[in-house]
Amino acid sequence: DSGVTQTPKHLITATGQRVTLRCSPRSGDLSVYWYQQSLDQGLQFLIQYYNGEERAKGNILERFSAQQFPDLHSELNLSSLELGDSALYFCASSVEGTSPLHFGNGTRLTVT
Amino acid sequence: AQSVTQLGSHVSVSEGALVLLRCNYSSSVPPYLFWYVQYPNQGLQLLLKYTTGATLVKGINGFEAEFKKSETSFHLTKPSAHMSDAAEYFCAVIGGATNKLIFGTGTLLAVQP
Repeated sequence: DSGVTQTPKHLITATGQRVTLRCSPRSGDLSVYWYQQSLDQGLQFLIQYYNGEERAKGNILERFSAQQFPDLHSELNLSSLELGDSALYFCASSVEGTSPLHFGNGTRLTVT
Repeated sequence: AQSVTQLGSHVSVSEGALVLLRCNYSSSVPPYLFWYVQYPNQGLQLLLKYTTGATLVKGINGFEAEFKKSETSFHLTKPSAHMSDAAEYFCAVIGGATNKLIFGTGTLLAVQP
């Protein structure tokens, strides 16, 4: 058990819809990261937050947004969903930037 | 920009044989290097990491990796494969100001009885 909790585990929705994925980091970790894993793109870094502030951005679409709340949990919002957004979305947390990341078990999103 | 290249998307070994998974990195600054393992329907789990110091790094489950700066490599090895080692393995690098962890494309390890 990594200590990182992601909900929900599975999500099935239709194109054009909006969903919110939630992540609770390990106790004491200030950094939260979001990754997207798909067969064709592999593991893609989306965005990182540190103690509530955006720290780094990766290949995150404009239709996607995230935030980290004062209690350090994070949410990833995906809107105007397309079939190609179907993927496994992972949250990870760490103490600080170069510390190892601890991953949650992911949310599997299926867009139909 | 930093990156990692994993040679071989699929590797198959016999139980008891040596496991060698290859990773080469590119980084303009001294890198932090990691190997992660992903079992089916699970998240990624840290196997081992290299930051500074000793170039031979020992991890969990009998795995180890050696940082070779001259070859820009960080290959993962295990002397004797077990059936339970079947999983996907990812090499990753942190380097540069943003401290983003960048993953390779992964190597799927199959262990044959």
